[in-house]
Amino acid sequence: DTAVSQTPKYLVTQMGNDKSIKCEQNLGHDTMYWYKQDSKKFLKIMFSYNNKELIINETVPNRFSPKSPDKAHLNLHINSLELGDSAVYFCASSGGGPYNEQFFGPGTRLTVL
Amino acid sequence: EDQVTQSPEALRLQEGESSSLNCSYTVSGLRGLFWYRQDPGKGPEFLFTLYSAGEEKEKERLKATLTKKESFLHITAPKPEDSATYLCAVQAYSSASKIIFGSGTRLSIRP
Repeated sequence: DTAVSQTPKYLVTQMGNDKSIKCEQNLGHDTMYWYKQDSKKFLKIMFSYNNKELIINETVPNRFSPKSPDKAHLNLHINSLELGDSAVYFCASSGGGPYNEQFFGPGTRLTVL
Repeated sequence: EDQVTQSPEALRLQEGESSSLNCSYTVSGLRGLFWYRQDPGKGPEFLFTLYSAGEEKEKERLKATLTKKESFLHITAPKPEDSATYLCAVQAYSSASKIIFGSGTRLSIRP
């Protein structure tokens, strides 16, 4: 009965590879997010989708491409991975409206060698 | 530019020793201020939302308060299981669904 789930939990890969992270939420929320948490634990938003439409696109290299096949899923594809991409990536969702608290997944730890 | 600053960066307390964590913010029209708890290796867990100055919310040993410039998370008689990183975040009316996080306070409670 996990609310926001992500796969995989850990991802270790070589520089230059392409990888994807998947996220699913069963909360019935309309909005989903991707965050990056660096080694200093600072959480920074990357993208947000509302009902499959991109609404937030922060300054992120275009090697990162989010895709939302439906409002319960938001995937993140990363091309040509670089060392600096190593971080923990969190997916989150929110119901919108005045109570905009976000609910986070368990995170995907990406290590680029 | 909207900004969130948390202090202290780290706090070590003895079990039962009450204290407060600070979150200072600058935002163009505060829609909401959020507190989250993050345990090692896990995603942030929602604790509270505060909307207007003077508002207070409580949950077990935690109480969050809000003024026009800052929020405090008061921890009363903490237990070792309260050890975690506490994150503050703000949302502005102008920024749709975007929330901006502070860098967190790492709280450690010694038995």
